Amino acid sequence: SYELTQPPSVSVSPGQTARITCSGDALPKQYAYWYQQKPGQAPVLVIYKDSERPSGIPERLSGSSSGTTVTLTISGVQAEDEADYYCQSVDSSGPYVVFGGGTKLTVL
Amino acid sequence: EVQLVESGGGLAQPGGSLRLSCAASGFILSRNWMSWVRQAPGKGLEWVANIKQDGSEKYYVDSVKGRFTISRDNAKNSLYLQMSSLRAEDTAVYYCARARVPTAASYYFDYWGQGTLVTVSS
Repeated sequence: SYELTQPPSVSVSPGQTARITCSGDALPKQYAYWYQQKPGQAPVLVIYKDSERPSGIPERLSGSSSGTTVTLTISGVQAEDEADYYCQSVDSSGPYVVFGGGTKLTVL
Repeated sequence: EVQLVESGGGLAQPGGSLRLSCAASGFILSRNWMSWVRQAPGKGLEWVANIKQDGSEKYYVDSVKGRFTISRDNAKNSLYLQMSSLRAEDTAVYYCARARVPTAASYYFDYWGQGTLVTVSS
């Protein structure tokens, strides 16, 4: 079955740049999406179609894609960015959704 | 304002059944694919099932095939998940989510409910 691989954790100091990667063999052909989830809350879409940002999402969050890896970049990290981040894509055989294992972003 | 409100969660015994509901408002349900996504305690997100606008297509993760059934009633603005033969590993918060499918290579969730907890235990 198709898998997406994320690092379990990333730590950065306030004001620095955080980069969270997500790897998957089908990513060159399928779009990736990113969700932010804070404790006790539902996930929130922060990036769609690799690099598009929904309205209301701060510009310091951005997405990029290169080959089999997509990256969520958070520039000028703030304390409020501390959360779990999940990448998501679909299997090329149909709308079978796949999530990465999630990355816990810690703001030191 | 788009709202998704899940209900029907609770305690079920192994081998038992539960039916989850999701009440949708603020948008026209019949225009959207809809999905269920779950999250076991302390774990990551796991997609469970998708259903097309008219209910003609349904897709499931392998672990629930033959046990769970996704359905919808567009006239009642509602999405459902019938769960049977429940197992301990089905214990999770179940989220209802509105899907966007702009192309065949795209499927993602732009709105989520707050979730309903299902606990499977004797």
